[in-house]
Formats: sequence, C-alpha cells, structure tokens
Amino acid sequence: TQLLEQSPQFLSIQEGENLTVYCNSSSVFSSLQWYRQEPGEGPVLLVTVVTGGEVKKLKRLTFQFGDARKDSSLHITAAQPGDTGLYLCAGVVGSQGNLIFGKGTKLSVKP
Amino acid sequence: DAGVIQSPRHEVTEMGQEVTLRCKPISGHDYLFWYRQTMMRGLELLIYFNNNVPIDDSGMPEDRFSAKMPNASFSTLKIQPSEPRDSAVYFCASSFGGGARTQYFGPGTRLLVL
Repeated sequence: TQLLEQSPQFLSIQEGENLTVYCNSSSVFSSLQWYRQEPGEGPVLLVTVVTGGEVKKLKRLTFQFGDARKDSSLHITAAQPGDTGLYLCAGVVGSQGNLIFGKGTKLSVKP
Repeated sequence: DAGVIQSPRHEVTEMGQEVTLRCKPISGHDYLFWYRQTMMRGLELLIYFNNNVPIDDSGMPEDRFSAKMPNASFSTLKIQPSEPRDSAVYFCASSFGGGARTQYFGPGTRLLVL
C-alpha cells in the first residue's frame, strides 16, 4: 500500500514568518501534486512536480520534488493570512491519474 | 465555466436510509473521480470513470456503495443502506485526460448519518 505522510499536521504562525511542509513516502511516484483546500470547498491544484530534484516557484511558494521522487516539500516565504488553509500532497499512481493523498497540513496564519 | 457541480451540498439522514449524491462534471472532461474525506482517513479515492466507464472501484468500501455514470454530464454515488460511519464529505472531481492532469474538484457533499 502506498502511503504519503505529511508533517506537521497542524501549524499556527504569525504573518511574515516562513514555513516548510513535508510530504514523505517509501514509494516512488511518477509525479506529485500539491493542493490547497479552504473550509467548505474542494481542493485546488497548486502545482505538479514531475522530475526528481525539480523546483517550482509560485509567487511566495516554493515546491521541491526529492531526487528519488519519494518526497516533496512546500516552503512558504513571508506567510500571509490569505495562505491559511489545508495543504495536501498527492502522489500520482498509474497512467490514469489515481491520486494517493496525504492527510494534509492545516496552516493558520495570524495577522 | 460553472465548474464541477455537486448536489446536495448537505445531507442529513438516518441510519438505514438510501442516500444519493449527484455530480455534474466540467463539460468536455473525460475522467470523473469520487472521493471521500474524513478527519481520520483524509481524502480517499473511491472510484473513477473514463468516458463513462468505471475503471477502478477498488476504493469503494463495501457493497453498500455503488456509482454510476449514465452519460458524460452526470454521475451518482449511492449508499444503501447508510450507516453512521459513512458520515464524511464526498467530493466529485473531473479532468481532461488522465495521468497528472489537473483534477477539478466540486464543493463536496457533507453527509451526516444519524
């Protein structure tokens, strides 16, 4: 069974701080996705990383895929209250898009 | 574009009753996915369809759950009979193409079985 472990489970920080969220697995994934989910809504895709070692930036968010394609991290610089939400990583399994989700990191950024 | 539409948004029912959740995917998308989200287990894939055909239902918890996709613009997830442990948020998502293509999620149906 392929599992994705996310850490930390909860994170509460002040506006302006930096943070890193981790997503780890013992399995290799062809690609990995990060989603953000707000209360009462479905997850929204932020990024897909495909190549081992790949780094992608989305404004203040930096995503990295591990060299062995088993782990990933999300770093947020100078967090803002608008970054508050549940961050989910998902490993893509197979050719048709099955996603294995981590349980998520619930981020709260206080002004 | 209206996005993925799910109904109802909230459902409260009693144990033993039949529950039907509905989903309208984004027009033109050929993949449709049903997920369940709980605090304990997170977001789990239940079943997915490609061109209206069920491809993998290995995530369906048991025979009480069934899903259909009679045409490209409509799918249902049925639970009969419902049990309290089925209480969760159920999401439908659709995508154009499989693999690592972007899945667009609906707003979810929050189900409470008493």
